[in-house]
Amino acid sequence: ELKVEQNPLFLSMQEGKNYTIYCNYSTTSDRLYWYRQDPGKSLESLFVLLSNGAVKQEGRLMASLDTKARLSTLHITAAVHDLSATYFCAVGTIGGSQGNLIFGKGTKLSVKP
Amino acid sequence: DSGVTQTPKHLITATGQRVTLRCSPRSGDLSVYWYQQSLDQGLQFLIQYYNGEERAKGNILERFSAQQFPDLHSELNLSSLELGDSALYFCASSPSTGSYEQYFGPGTRLTVT
Repeated sequence: ELKVEQNPLFLSMQEGKNYTIYCNYSTTSDRLYWYRQDPGKSLESLFVLLSNGAVKQEGRLMASLDTKARLSTLHITAAVHDLSATYFCAVGTIGGSQGNLIFGKGTKLSVKP
Repeated sequence: DSGVTQTPKHLITATGQRVTLRCSPRSGDLSVYWYQQSLDQGLQFLIQYYNGEERAKGNILERFSAQQFPDLHSELNLSSLELGDSALYFCASSPSTGSYEQYFGPGTRLTVT
């Protein structure tokens, strides 16, 4: 059974600081997703990582994937208050269907002035 | 705005009742996915349809059923509702080929009293 673990689950940061969220998964996968969710809102797609060594950056967020270690990271650079949200990683299962996204529990990020 | 629409936005009903949630995918997307988000279980994949046919099944209760119609909209039917069914239900859609992206709708918040 595919399991996805995120850590930390809660993260309180000061503006201007850097930090990394980790996402480990238990079995081989060919797709790794990062989503952002604001309270009471839908999921906003941030990144889709499809290959070992993939790195994608958007603004202050950078995601990477190491399929051999079954690890993805979401790095936050010089955090600002607007980044406060819950961040989910999700892993897709191998083969066939594009469905079956398995989500981590989410990391609730709070950026304080 | 992802282009995926869901109705209703909010639904309050009593235990034992039956409700139907509706989803319209993005124009041209053939795949529709249903997810449940609750405090206890987190984000869970329920079921996927592709062009009218069931493609994959996740942790969907027997009291729940879904279908996708010829115009590609989908409905999730929840029956014999229990307090524990209170959750945010998301629909997502994806293109038929090429992209691995899943685009999430705004969700339906179901409260069972």
